[in-house]
Amino acid sequence: EVQLLESGGGLVQPGGSLRLSCAASGFTFSSYAMSWVRQAPGKGLEWISAISHTGGNTYYADSVKGRFTISRDNSKNTLYLQMNSLRAEDTAIYYCAKDRLKGDSSNWNPRFDPWGQGTLVTVSS
Amino acid sequence: EIVLTQSPGTLSLSPGEGATLSCRASQSVSGSYLAWYQQKPGQAPRLLIYGVSSRATGIPDRFSGSGSGTDFTLTISRLEPEDFAVYYCQQYGSSPATFGQGTKLEIK
Repeated sequence: EVQLLESGGGLVQPGGSLRLSCAASGFTFSSYAMSWVRQAPGKGLEWISAISHTGGNTYYADSVKGRFTISRDNSKNTLYLQMNSLRAEDTAIYYCAKDRLKGDSSNWNPRFDPWGQGTLVTVSS
Repeated sequence: EIVLTQSPGTLSLSPGEGATLSCRASQSVSGSYLAWYQQKPGQAPRLLIYGVSSRATGIPDRFSGSGSGTDFTLTISRLEPEDFAVYYCQQYGSSPATFGQGTKLEIK
């Protein structure tokens, strides 16, 4: 059974940094692209970042480009999201999600299945 | 970026009834790359439908998807109590991947 377990969320001040982790199990982690999707309180879903199976290709939404960095350690079956220069509008539940493909072709875009249970990030002074 | 607009915002129905949820795209969705997700309170979303009409593993056949181009539909044939949730469409044919704003299916 595929399992994704996020951690690292918490309360951080505006301008601060946080690193999220997503521990994966139940599948060959190094064979699949992975994504981060967030959901602000009471709001809808927003894809923010993805990474190809080797980590050689990374993708970002404009809302986080230049502030967030996605990475992965295939030896540890773990996905990361380094979040810098955090703003109040980054407050959300952050989910990691597995893709169905490797994510290294030019016309690839992510689809999400399954999802982790999420970790809450609150940006507030 | 492709904007997905879902309607209605809220749908009030009774168990046993059928539900029709709509998702309209601001431009044609490439490759029929349209998915539907279900989200219950306090839970992560779950993939229901991909490629417009293919059911994900373990999804009951009362869920079906249809459509093409810019207009897509999720149909639930006979509502069970566990189907009352929020449903999102998502396109993954163009960059960036985008979601609709969701339709809340509530018990009447």
